[in-house]
Amino acid sequence: GAVVSQHPSRVICKSGTSVKIECRSLDFQATTMFWYRQFPKQSLMLMATSNEGSKATYEQGVEKDKFLINHASLTLSTLTVTSAHPEDSSFYICSASLGGGPAGTDTQYFGPGTRLTVL
Amino acid sequence: ILNVEQSPQSLHVQEGDSTNFTCSFPSSNFYALHWYRWETAKSPEALFVMTLNGDEKKKGRISATLNTKEGYSYLYIKGSQPEDSATYLCAFITNAGKSTFGDGTTLTVKP
Repeated sequence: GAVVSQHPSRVICKSGTSVKIECRSLDFQATTMFWYRQFPKQSLMLMATSNEGSKATYEQGVEKDKFLINHASLTLSTLTVTSAHPEDSSFYICSASLGGGPAGTDTQYFGPGTRLTVL
Repeated sequence: ILNVEQSPQSLHVQEGDSTNFTCSFPSSNFYALHWYRWETAKSPEALFVMTLNGDEKKKGRISATLNTKEGYSYLYIKGSQPEDSATYLCAFITNAGKSTFGDGTTLTVKP
């Protein structure tokens, strides 16, 4: 149980285009979903926390207009990288938890990640 | 920026060896510490969520301890097997809900 999928697993796009990444909890309802980014040889960095039906909470330094997060249902959250540029190339990974609060004591179930390359 | 450090960065052991590695974190504003195992081409898998000073948790051959006063957690693997090869990540959670991941320790177990 507790499987999270991400789609696509890999995407290459041209600079200036927008890319949407989907994160789905397949066998449970996720009140909270998290989006992380990992640059090469660096640790996972939390970008934002989203609760179903409400606006996402972005971490300091993450542009909310550039990284649009929608959590329209208890099983789906999407991250749209708008007007992508080469510096947005990174590994994006989502996680989901059953709890409704911040990343505290709830177990997080991760997706497999999406490798974004912007040319 | 919160400093969460994991050591060593990488580790090579023989099958059957026991091993351990460290996650160091700030001793103030502690709320929780998570350990994950991340195998190549798979999703990170939650191992432990630790909250209390002195906590010790066990899952099969893997166990973890927590010292919030001095700001460290140890992860132990007893009798390592090749399938234990993975990157082990810790994540420090503050009482404000902020999470910071370490860079991970990559374990390779040779048959």
